[in-house]
Parts: sequence; C-alpha cells; structure tokens
Amino acid sequence: DSGVTQTPKHLITATGQRVTLRCSPRSGDLSVYWYQQSLDQGLQFLIQYYNGEERAKGNILERFSAQQFPDLHSELNLSSLELGDSALYFCASSASPGTGTNYGYTFGSGTRLTVV
Amino acid sequence: AQSVTQLGSHVSVSEGALVLLRCNYSSSVPPYLFWYVQYPNQGLQLLLKYTSAATLVKGINGFEAEFKKSETSFHLTKPSAHMRDAAEYFCAVSMEYGNKLVFGAGTILRVKS
Repeated sequence: DSGVTQTPKHLITATGQRVTLRCSPRSGDLSVYWYQQSLDQGLQFLIQYYNGEERAKGNILERFSAQQFPDLHSELNLSSLELGDSALYFCASSASPGTGTNYGYTFGSGTRLTVV
Repeated sequence: AQSVTQLGSHVSVSEGALVLLRCNYSSSVPPYLFWYVQYPNQGLQLLLKYTSAATLVKGINGFEAEFKKSETSFHLTKPSAHMRDAAEYFCAVSMEYGNKLVFGAGTILRVKS
C-alpha cells in the first residue's frame, strides 16, 4: 500500500457519460497530480493541485475538470466520454519541501476506465 | 521545458545478465530524476531518485543509477537480472521538487530464463 488511495479501481461506462475518479493523497501531502496512461500517449500529466488550489495544468481536455477539497482529497471529473478516453488514470501526491522531506512522488494504483 | 528520452522501448536480457536501461533528459536547470517500475496491471513504484546529492543512487531491488551531468543521462542498472524484474520501467524528471513529473515513454524489460 503506497498510501495514495484511488477509487474505483475499474470503471466501465458508455460514450457520452460522465464519471468521477477519486484520490486520497498520502497523509500530510499537500500536492496532488493526475496522470493519464494510454498505449498511444504514454503517461501524460493532466493537472496538479496544491492545498486546494490549481497549480499546474497539462494536457487536460476541456471535458475534464478536477478539484481538491479542504480534506486534501481530489476528484477528477470526466464528461462527454469518448472511446479514446479509455485509459488508466493515476493520482500521485508529494509532500511540501522541508525538513525530513524525502522528495518522492507517490502514486496510487490507478483507475482503469473503459468507455464502450 | 524538460523532457525525457528512454532509448529502447523493449530490452531483453538473460537471467543473471546485466540490466542497462537508458535515460537521457533535457532540462535548463539541475533536475530531480526518478526511475519508476510498473508491473502488469499495477501502479507505479518508485525505484530510486536523484535529488542533487550523491550522483550514484542506490534503489530498491538491487537497482542503481548514476547521474552524469555532462552526458545529461541517468541510466538504470542492475548487475544480475532476475525473472521478477520483468516489468515496464519509466524515467521521469522534474525541474523542481513539487512540480509535475515528466515521464519518458517507458522501456519494457524482458528477462529470459
């Protein structure tokens, strides 16, 4: 167990639908990152939140959105789903730099989304 | 912007042979560098990281990597491959800790008995 929890592990849904993926970061980590892993695109950075605020944006589609809540968990919302959105979605977390930081990024086990 | 190139999408070695997985990065500043391993149907597990301390970094499962600034490389090695090392390996870079990780395309390691 990495300490980063993602739910659900698997999700099958139809085109045009909307889904929400959830991530609980490692205890004490303020940053949450979302990545999409697909066979043709590899591991692509989507978006980062730090202590509730959006910090960086990557190749995230307008149909996708995310937020980080006061308890630091994060949700990735995917809407108007297309077949091409089928992928493994990872969440990672990292601690703030400071005394005792191990400078690691810890990944969850991912949510496998299948759009049919 | 930083980027990572992993030379060889597939590497095949015999059990007991040396493992060498290549990673070159481009970054305008001294980077933070990472190697992750992904076993089938699993998440990403950190093998080791370089954070501007010692240039030779030892990680888990007998892996190590050497940061060579002059070659902008961070190759991953293991003296003797084991069947359980068969997995996909990703090199990643971050310009600053707390920034996003940028990943290479990955190298699938096959270990032959």
